[in-house]
Amino acid sequence: QSALTQPASVSGSPGQSITISCSGTSSDVGGYNYVSWYQQHPDKAPRLLIYDVSKRPAGVSNRFSGTKSGNTASLTISGLQAEDEADYYCCSFATSITLVLGGGTKVTVL
Amino acid sequence: QVRLQESGPGLVKPSETLSLTCSVSGDSISSGGYYWGWIRQPPGKGLEWIGSIYYRGTTYSNFSLKSRVTISVDAPKNQFSLKLTSVTAADTAVYYCATPGTTTVGTRFFQHWGQGTPVTVSS
Repeated sequence: QSALTQPASVSGSPGQSITISCSGTSSDVGGYNYVSWYQQHPDKAPRLLIYDVSKRPAGVSNRFSGTKSGNTASLTISGLQAEDEADYYCCSFATSITLVLGGGTKVTVL
Repeated sequence: QVRLQESGPGLVKPSETLSLTCSVSGDSISSGGYYWGWIRQPPGKGLEWIGSIYYRGTTYSNFSLKSRVTISVDAPKNQFSLKLTSVTAADTAVYYCATPGTTTVGTRFFQHWGQGTPVTVSS
């Protein structure tokens, strides 16, 4: 049950779009359409942005979108805003009914 | 909307058992049909899923912690609990309880989170 692989950091200017990748295996990301994404600001609890690969909970901006291709999932943030500066984590359902998380990606708004 | 609040000792001695409780309001653990989970975050590090329990009592745990983890539900109190045995400094973390707040097939995501409670393992 290895952690999913995310880039340590991604940056972009206000208004730009950025994409965070999340690489797994056929036992997790590639095997199930159950990838979720979380945003975490410092000293705050995580906030669910995306579930089941591409679904957004009520109240989450449509600037956040999720996709998956093979063993890699991606989160795209469009129209980057200062408030988007935070840590982002991907999470996937995995074999034997477990959950595996990525190491996290720090997003910096330049 | 479901709300969660963690409680428990902030300091645990090495080799002892860490015990935390998550109090649920706004919904009933026994009738919601949800999964209820524990996630932790060591200082300066990423999130780690500890385990989840289905409202009927079936539990699922991270393989790396499985032998030390017990998750249980106390339906009358509308609470669920985490016990982690034989703790070491590596178990120092902020511990979160969470739930999807909706019926799901499997423990897949968490929409509602507690504020988190810090636990330090030290003598």
